[in-house]
Amino acid sequence: SQTIHQWPATLVQPVGSPLSLECTVEGTSNPNLYWYRQAAGRGLQLLFYSVGIGQISSEVPQNLSASRPQDRQFILSSKKLLLSDSGFYLCAWSVRGTVRELFFGEGSRLTVL
Amino acid sequence: GQSLEQPSEVTAVEGAIVQINCTYQTSGFYGLSWYQQHDGGAPTFLSYNALDGLEETGRFSSFLSRSDSYGYLLLQELQMKDSASYFCAVRDGSGTDKLIFGTGTRLQVFP
Repeated sequence: SQTIHQWPATLVQPVGSPLSLECTVEGTSNPNLYWYRQAAGRGLQLLFYSVGIGQISSEVPQNLSASRPQDRQFILSSKKLLLSDSGFYLCAWSVRGTVRELFFGEGSRLTVL
Repeated sequence: GQSLEQPSEVTAVEGAIVQINCTYQTSGFYGLSWYQQHDGGAPTFLSYNALDGLEETGRFSSFLSRSDSYGYLLLQELQMKDSASYFCAVRDGSGTDKLIFGTGTRLQVFP
């Protein structure tokens, strides 16, 4: 069966510090991978989307970046965090060629102070 | 671009029926999905409609009218555990594998 793991689950970072969130998928090959962000009580904002290794589509211009060094690994990074980067970050995957169903990781709650 | 609109909040009592509406605007339509998210948790898939009509899965049903760019999620025999946020979502109109979510509807079920 397929599983998705995302870490860390919670982190508190000072403004200006770097960020790295990691997501891995098991039990499937060539998945679409996604990073979403959710502000408190709000909807899901698509940040990055990837259809393959090294292929990243950025949806929102900001100080975040994403990388896909391996087929089932997706990393979200920042060199210098802003207060506005606080939120709940969700990694997800779907079967290539369809978005009928997205499978989400447990999420990473980031607080920037 | 795409946009999806949902009511921000709906309240109901246990055992009741509630309908959560979703209207969408998209340049190309490939289907409407619904997700449930409990506080602090990750969204989980509920249903998908590609064609007009009603899809039933247990206590939950989802309806789609493509001509009206409208859909709804129907929750029957409400239980306290159904208190959560519900999101509709559509595939990006350009045909890529991107899923765009609505603003979400917070459902509160009271005893």
